[in-house]
Amino acid sequence: EIVLTQSPATLSLSPGERATLSCRASQSVSSSLAWYQHKPGQAPRLLIYDVSNRATGIPARFSGSGSGTDFTLTISSLEPEDFAVYYCQQRSNWPPITFGQGTRLEIK
Amino acid sequence: QVQLVESGGSVVQAGGSLRLSCAASGFNFNTYFMYWVRQAPGKGLEWVTFIQGDGETQYYADSVKGRFTISRDNSKKMMYLQMNSLRPEDTAVYYCTKGLSAYGSAWSTWFDPWGQGTQVTVSP
Repeated sequence: EIVLTQSPATLSLSPGERATLSCRASQSVSSSLAWYQHKPGQAPRLLIYDVSNRATGIPARFSGSGSGTDFTLTISSLEPEDFAVYYCQQRSNWPPITFGQGTRLEIK
Repeated sequence: QVQLVESGGSVVQAGGSLRLSCAASGFNFNTYFMYWVRQAPGKGLEWVTFIQGDGETQYYADSVKGRFTISRDNSKKMMYLQMNSLRPEDTAVYYCTKGLSAYGSAWSTWFDPWGQGTQVTVSP
């Protein structure tokens, strides 16, 4: 099973700042990585798939990069609605499909 | 628009059974992979199970294998999760979700969209 490790566990930033979230895989997942946003009481939302493709309706301030085992989600300038928990997910050589443990992005 | 609505969550005693349902609308249901994903209290997301568009193939997480059964009725646009021998550690919000694209393409294993979830609580 491929384990995804996200860092940091919590990120405290202010609106307008740049956010950089990391996801590291225990073995190469090639480009088989996605990012989701999850707010309390809401359904998770797909942000990025195949490392860098934005899902429909996702603003351009969200971008993804990386390959192999190291991946990054960048939010270029934080909006108030961006404060949430973010998960990476891999589907390389599944099952199982696995998620990282999440990064909580909180308002500083 | 695409909608996924879960139902059937409840409080149940350990060892009991529960069946969750997911009603789908707004897309060609029988051409999409479907999944259940759960979130235990204070924990992250955990993939639970998968079913192919025609229902022929299913996969399960080790944590539920042999206890949970996924199924679908394409004529009704419904997906189900039969949960038996429930344990307190199965307590979670259970989400229904579909593959991003149809026909088993490479994008079928990205989850979009998700339902609002249904709460399952298993008491000791």
